[in-house]
Amino acid sequence: GQQLNQSPQSMFIQEGEDVSMNCTSSSIFNTWLWYKQDPGEGPVLLIALYKAGELTSNGRLTAQFGITRKDSFLNISASIPSDVGIYFCAGQRYAGGTSYGKLTFGQGTILTVHP
Amino acid sequence: DTGVSQDPRHKITKRGQNVTFRCDPISEHNRLYWYRQTLGQGPEFLTYFQNEAQLEKSRLLSDRFSAERPKGSFSTLEIQRTEQGDSAMYLCASSLEGGYTFGSGTRLTVV
Repeated sequence: GQQLNQSPQSMFIQEGEDVSMNCTSSSIFNTWLWYKQDPGEGPVLLIALYKAGELTSNGRLTAQFGITRKDSFLNISASIPSDVGIYFCAGQRYAGGTSYGKLTFGQGTILTVHP
Repeated sequence: DTGVSQDPRHKITKRGQNVTFRCDPISEHNRLYWYRQTLGQGPEFLTYFQNEAQLEKSRLLSDRFSAERPKGSFSTLEIQRTEQGDSAMYLCASSLEGGYTFGSGTRLTVV
C-alpha cells in the first residue's frame, strides 16, 4: 500500500541535541499527524495539524503542516533518553467517498539518544 | 475509560488455523479502524467502521480476512487459513473526530 516518504530512516544523537525529521507526499493531505511508537506498543499521538502552514508545539516538540499540504516536519528540542522510539508521520484526507478517516503512514524514523 | 483495548496481546498459531482478535474502542468513539504493521514499516490501513457499518476495506484485506462490529461497540478481526505472510502486528484504533487513539496491538506469529 501507499506510504509517505519519511526521512531520515534512523538517527543517533547525544542527549541534549535537537532533532528534525520530515515527511513528504506526492499528493495532498488535509491533516498531518505525528505519532511515537515504543516497542510492542501501538502508536501514540504527539501532534495533530489541521491547516496548511500551521505550526504547533507540544512541550519540546514542534511540528509544521507544509504550505503545499504535501509535507510536514517534526522537531524535538533538547532530546532526552526517553525520546527513544520510532516516530511516524501520517496523512489523512477528508475529500469525498468513503476514504474519510483513513491514515497513510510514513515508514518511520528510529531515534536513538545516547546519554 | 482506559483507552483502546486489544485481546490477545500475542498469538502464535500454526499455518492453516483460524484466529480471531478483539478490539474494544473508547466508549464514546463511533469510528473504529484496523491496521496491520509489519517489521520496519508503518501501519497499513485494513478496514474502517462507523458505528456498525463497515465503510471501507483495503485491497490488503483478502477474502480470508473478515471484520465485524455487530453492535457498534467492540470489533473482531478474523483471519481464516492463516499463512506465514499474515505474521504482523494488528492494530485497532478508534476516534470521534480528528486524531485516533490506538490500542497496544495483537502480535500474530504464524509458524
